[in-house]
Amino acid sequence: AQSVAQPEDQVNVAEGNPLTVKCTYSVSGNPYLFWYVQYPNRGLQFLLKYITGDNLVKGSYGFEAEFNKSQTSFHLKKPSALVSDSALYFCAVRDMYGGATNKLIFGTGTLLAVQP
Amino acid sequence: DARVTQTPRDKVTEMGQEVTMRCQPILGHNTVFWYRQTMMQGLELLAYFRNRAPLDDSGMPKDRFSAEMPDATLATLKIQPSEPRDSAVYFCASGLVLQGEAFFGQGTRLTVV
Repeated sequence: AQSVAQPEDQVNVAEGNPLTVKCTYSVSGNPYLFWYVQYPNRGLQFLLKYITGDNLVKGSYGFEAEFNKSQTSFHLKKPSALVSDSALYFCAVRDMYGGATNKLIFGTGTLLAVQP
Repeated sequence: DARVTQTPRDKVTEMGQEVTMRCQPILGHNTVFWYRQTMMQGLELLAYFRNRAPLDDSGMPKDRFSAEMPDATLATLKIQPSEPRDSAVYFCASGLVLQGEAFFGQGTRLTVV
């Protein structure tokens, strides 16, 4: 069964500093990996995805993520954090070759707090 | 600007009443997901449809919940009878199976009193 883990409930970073939000995954086949962001009282917004190819994926709002197959990780990064980046971030995985039920499974979320 | 539309945005109901939540997927999308979000459980997958066929509803309490796609433009999630523990935000998401990602609606906030 596929699963994804976000080991940190909250990440605190000062504005202007680099940020990293961690994610590890487990799938039986080849993973599609995703990051989403959720602002208060809103739905989840898609940020970026990894399917194949370059291990460094660039997405919306200056975010990027690095796929590491040996460590089964897909950490979200940004070189310089903004206060407006403060939100709840979710990592998600789909096993695209795992048969008919290639569900989209989410982690528990990491609250990013960027201090001015 | 294509988006997933969910109705109603907010619903307050009494315990025991039937609740129906509706979702209009993005036109052309062939996968639909229903999720429930609570503080305690996070995001739980309730049901997954592909080409309107239910592929997985293992996360859904079968005795009171049901999910259907009567046509390609409408997905429904019903709770009968509702209970206070069903209080949560319910999200619908749609996508194209080969692309992988899903796009979320704004959610329905359900409160059962």
